[in-house]
Amino acid sequence: RKEVEQDPGPFNVPEGATVAFNCTYSNSASQSFFWYRQDCRKEPKLLMSVYSSGNEDGRFTAQLNRASQYISLLIRDSKLSDSATYLCVVNFNKFYFGSGTKLNVKP
Amino acid sequence: GAGVSQSPSNKVTEKGKDVELRCDPISGHTALYWYRQSLGQGLEFLIYFQGNSAPDKSGLPSDRFSAERTGGSVSTLTIQRTQQEDSAVYLCASSLERRDTEAFFGQGTRLTVV
Repeated sequence: RKEVEQDPGPFNVPEGATVAFNCTYSNSASQSFFWYRQDCRKEPKLLMSVYSSGNEDGRFTAQLNRASQYISLLIRDSKLSDSATYLCVVNFNKFYFGSGTKLNVKP
Repeated sequence: GAGVSQSPSNKVTEKGKDVELRCDPISGHTALYWYRQSLGQGLEFLIYFQGNSAPDKSGLPSDRFSAERTGGSVSTLTIQRTQQEDSAVYLCASSLERRDTEAFFGQGTRLTVV
């Protein structure tokens, strides 16, 4: 079983839509959690950290459910520029990356 | 420099040749990772260095792959007797030891074995 599992998508949504991604992780002792964004042929970059209390950054909201061992990312009012692959990342002694969920926002 | 630096950015090599890929992490970052990413695929973990601890080599796909980190800073990933299936982007990342901090990636080395 992979340490971090994500639906690969793609998620094809119109501009302005709300879209949600989930990921699950296997190690209950995992200590920190992140969402990264990777554009085509570019390196991954941090989108946001994920805190137990949940956190929001503009149109982006991240949630952590430790009991069920899943992490979510909600994007509201999708923009064309949100099209990318979103990577779920968990840290337990080292970083574990999910394979990513591809988002395509269409005009 | 301000970020993680990798060189070369592109490398084309003939099958059977050895290649060396270099990563210069952010100053002060004790953790350094190497990943491989094939076209359209996710990140494949290769190796992890943390301070003076023995490296976690559990992701190296074969004994043709090796990596060193000298002086706790610069790292070199070496691939011996390259094969066509080694063609991929090799990404390096570094982070502080604190687990709640992010990992920063270099722009990667695109390796093509012909």
